Amino acid sequence: AQSVAQPEDQVNVAEGNPLTVKCTYSVSGNPYLFWYVQYPNRGLQFLLKYITGDNLVKGSYGFEAEFNKSQTSFHLKKPSALVSDSALYFCAVRDSGTYKYIFGTGTRLKVLA
Amino acid sequence: AAGVIQSPRHLIKEKRETATLKCYPIPRHDTVYWYQQGPGQDPQFLISFYEKMQSDKGSIPDRFSAQQFSDYHSELNMSSLELGDSALYFCASSRLAGEQETQYFGPGTRLLVL
Repeated sequence: AQSVAQPEDQVNVAEGNPLTVKCTYSVSGNPYLFWYVQYPNRGLQFLLKYITGDNLVKGSYGFEAEFNKSQTSFHLKKPSALVSDSALYFCAVRDSGTYKYIFGTGTRLKVLA
Repeated sequence: AAGVIQSPRHLIKEKRETATLKCYPIPRHDTVYWYQQGPGQDPQFLISFYEKMQSDKGSIPDRFSAQQFSDYHSELNMSSLELGDSALYFCASSRLAGEQETQYFGPGTRLLVL
């Protein structure tokens, strides 16, 4: 069965510092991996995805993620954090047969001014 | 760009009442997914439709039903509501384009059952 794990409930980072939000996956077959961000009282906004190709994927708002097959990881990164990046971040894997998403438990990112 | 529209945005119901949630997908999207997000939890897949046919079923209670109409909008019908049904209900839409398919989520309907 497909699954993703986000080991950190919360990540705190100072504004201007690089940030990393961790995600590891377990899939049978090819992994289709996604990152979404959820702001308070808002829906899930698509940030980026890995389907195939380059291991470094660039997405919205300056975010990028690195797919690492040997470590089964898909960590979200940003070189310089903004206070406005503070939100709840979800990693998701797409079920290869049905296309439904299986989400991680979410990581709350807090960027401190 | 047009996004997924959900209505209502907020809904308050009493136990044992019924509720209907509506989802209008992005134009030209043919697939709709419903997810339930409980307080402090990750979204859980409920059900999906492709070209008006149910394509997958997740952890959707028997008290809930859903359908996709000819204009591709979808409705989630919830009966005999329970306190535990209080959650944020997301609809997502996509254009089934093989492995590049990406789901785009609506703002959600927040349901409170009293």
